[in-house]
Amino acid sequence: QQPVQSPQAVILREGEDAVINCSSSKALYSVHWYRQKHGEAPVFLMILLKGGEQKGHEKISASFNEKKQQSSLYLTASQLSYSGTYFCGTTNTGNQFYFGTGTSLTVIP
Amino acid sequence: ETGVTQTPRHLVMGMTNKKSLKCEQHLGHNAMYWYKQSAKKPLELMFVYSLEERVENNSVPSRFSPECPNSSHLFLHLHTLQPEDSALYLCASSQGGIAGRTDTQYFGPGTRLTVL
Repeated sequence: QQPVQSPQAVILREGEDAVINCSSSKALYSVHWYRQKHGEAPVFLMILLKGGEQKGHEKISASFNEKKQQSSLYLTASQLSYSGTYFCGTTNTGNQFYFGTGTSLTVIP
Repeated sequence: ETGVTQTPRHLVMGMTNKKSLKCEQHLGHNAMYWYKQSAKKPLELMFVYSLEERVENNSVPSRFSPECPNSSHLFLHLHTLQPEDSALYLCASSQGGIAGRTDTQYFGPGTRLTVL
């Protein structure tokens, strides 16, 4: 089953922070995060494996809480280039992979 | 060329036509994927090939027929499609086989398909 993301859409001003959540009804092995800009292919951001780790990539980081079967993506001091749709992708312990419902993020000046 | 390429980028077809989408990866990967992306819907995984063998078929109608002649090429053959099949079809590849679900997927630019 597809993980559910929240919020569905968010609008930020440059410099503001945002959190995108991804929740699954099944036990997870890993969580991927991708960003897709309008008219372009999804691009990989990071992957988190079972173990509750947190990863960072400049001002974008993520956490994975396997007990809660959820992951969160943190965007700090947002830039115009952060605009796009963010997808989580989850692998459950049955080795099934699903992309999430997507979160549209718009950063305005 | 590098990465994952898809042709054509845009396709308009009638319901009685037969057409094929092509995907090529230049990354030396072992797994390839077809996804369907409709407006306001999540990415839907259609097919997965690992080492040229189909390992996953997610209840896709038989009017979609995949083919993977080698680890670098993946086709999606289309026949007697319906208007609701209009969508962006994305191809992706990843390093490992299907067991390596932790692998990063590299996506092609997609084919925008319109069925009239």
